[in-house]
Amino acid sequence: NAGVTQTPKFQVLKTGQSMTLQCAQDMNHNSMYWYRQDPGMGLRLIYYSASEGTTDKGEVPNGYNVSRLNKREFSLRLESAAPSQTSVYFCASSEEGRSYEQYFGPGTRLTVT
Amino acid sequence: EDQVTQSPEALRLQEGESSSLNCSYTVSGLRGLFWYRQDPGKGPEFLFTLYSAGEEKEKERLKATLTKKESFLHITAPKPEDSATYLCAVQGAGSGGSYIPTFGRGTSLIVHP
Repeated sequence: NAGVTQTPKFQVLKTGQSMTLQCAQDMNHNSMYWYRQDPGMGLRLIYYSASEGTTDKGEVPNGYNVSRLNKREFSLRLESAAPSQTSVYFCASSEEGRSYEQYFGPGTRLTVT
Repeated sequence: EDQVTQSPEALRLQEGESSSLNCSYTVSGLRGLFWYRQDPGKGPEFLFTLYSAGEEKEKERLKATLTKKESFLHITAPKPEDSATYLCAVQGAGSGGSYIPTFGRGTSLIVHP
């Protein structure tokens, strides 16, 4: 039981390049989330998927797109990376609905130069 | 809008010196308050969920308590391995039925031997 896995762990991009961050969970959770974490800003929600087939914007969605590929996988795409997107990205999953804790992946550290 | 404020931002303790971390919150219809631990370079790890005022939960040297306005994470006789950032999050009734948690910025705890 691996929990939540993310790839890659580290990535360096040049401004304007694109990339996709991959996330998978093996806990049969319905809900999945993408966060970014910056010093002094805490965790900010980018997008989430309450259940397979649905996605919704979070607090900071600009410059990102997501795909809920199936129940297990939820990817985050940067179409044209900008230095402001330098951050640590975390994927998380939880049971659907209220009052359920989230389980986080190990994170992807992204640097855009 | 749900809000979470954690204090202090940073706390240094000597091994064995007990203390408390504070999480003040405002939320419309509390569904759950969560505590997470985050080690450097890793994703947050779930510790506790509290649902209603007066509730308490314990795990080893940690004890979480909840009132209608704040939660405390009490650390009794801490050890160096308790050093981490502790995150608080609340989940409210939300709008449109979504239950997206709101995170605080965390308290960075360092325990010196």
